[in-house]
Amino acid sequence: DAKTTQPNSMESNEEEPVHLPCNHSTISGTDYIHWYRQLPSQGPEYVIHGLTSNVNNRMASLAIAEDRKSSTLILHRATLRDAAVYYCILRDVSGANNLFFGTGTRLTVIP
Amino acid sequence: EPEVTQTPSHQVTQMGQEVILRCVPISNHLYFYWYRQILGQKVEFLVSFYNNEISEKSEIFDDQFSVERPDGSNFTLKIRSTKLEDSAMYFCASSVGGGNQPQHFGDGTRLSIL
Repeated sequence: DAKTTQPNSMESNEEEPVHLPCNHSTISGTDYIHWYRQLPSQGPEYVIHGLTSNVNNRMASLAIAEDRKSSTLILHRATLRDAAVYYCILRDVSGANNLFFGTGTRLTVIP
Repeated sequence: EPEVTQTPSHQVTQMGQEVILRCVPISNHLYFYWYRQILGQKVEFLVSFYNNEISEKSEIFDDQFSVERPDGSNFTLKIRSTKLEDSAMYFCASSVGGGNQPQHFGDGTRLSIL
């Protein structure tokens, strides 16, 4: 799987928007961009995924750069429950089904 | 909302003993996975299972490991002769399909080898 680069940690104030960046400069045409998060003492949780167009769901929005070499996960209003490690993962739909987790970004939400 | 359940939540075992970790995937899912996370480290893929056979496995998944779907609901991971370095959180996941289908994870079993 192609490599992604994320900041080790970020902080946000509660009820403020959060923009979590991910660089994936070696992304291939068949790679989808997936985001998962892991809350403390829990298993990873799917957040969102996309290919080229921006995506929205009830949890977050995903903004994908036009050249697809970077993306941003947007939490519109951070809550304390959003404190977690966020993982940006590339998945080739024609490749293996397993997920390759990096070190992710640890998001701290300040009350 | 349906979820993946894992039992037990914590398993303590003597080194060299066999251990079986159990998972009940979401009922209409067809793909099943095991991952592990050693304390303070990344989540690592172990094995994926589809159509009653292993579809992919990592280098970690050696001959000491096996998986089974003994009935229509359970999915198990067996470690035949545990080592100290097997101590980790083990996560089961399932997905309705392969490719881009999201994987749904359980909350894990913490395995402690003494």
